Amino acid sequence: DIQMTQSPSVLSASVGDRVTLNCKASQNINKYLNWYQQKLGEAPKLLIYNTNNLQTGIPSRFSGSGSGTDFTLTISSLQPEDFATYFCFQHNSWPYTFGAGTKLELK
Amino acid sequence: QIQLVQSGPELKKPGESVKISCKASGYTFTDYAMHWVKQAPGKGLKWMGWINTYTGKPTYADDFKGRFVFSLEASASTANLQISNLKNEDTATYFCAKGAAISPFAYWGQGTLVTVSS
Repeated sequence: DIQMTQSPSVLSASVGDRVTLNCKASQNINKYLNWYQQKLGEAPKLLIYNTNNLQTGIPSRFSGSGSGTDFTLTISSLQPEDFATYFCFQHNSWPYTFGAGTKLELK
Repeated sequence: QIQLVQSGPELKKPGESVKISCKASGYTFTDYAMHWVKQAPGKGLKWMGWINTYTGKPTYADDFKGRFVFSLEASASTANLQISNLKNEDTATYFCAKGAAISPFAYWGQGTLVTVSS
């Protein structure tokens, strides 16, 4: 199985900050990496699909990059509603796997 | 608009069974796979597998072979997840998520909390 390692596990930041979340795959997953935001009691929300494609309706402050095994999600200017947990997810090969998440908290 | 609406929370005893439904609307149900994802309390997400909504063929991740069954009521645009012989570790929120060729897992159900407790 492909292991997805996210770092950091917790990130403290302030409104207006630029933050970068990392996700590393244990083997090549090509471009098939999605990023999700999840708030307590809610379903995950798709932010970025296939590494760098912004899902419809998602603000442009979210962006994704990477290839192969190393991927990043960048939030250019944090807004109050962005404090949540973020998961990466590979859908290159079965079994599909999620990272353990990065909790973005208010400093 | 595309929606996945799941059935309500369940409280079960160990050894019992539970069936969760996921009703889709806003698209042609048989055109896209349906996936299932488990999230234990305070934990991350685990992909359970998927069902081909055209053929009805399920595929299970290794950890979900045996007690877990994916099924369809295609005429009702509904996918089901049945768990038999429930164990305490099955306590979790279960999500359905729509497959897609371009942006898979863009649409999720709201989740169904299954609590297993004696």
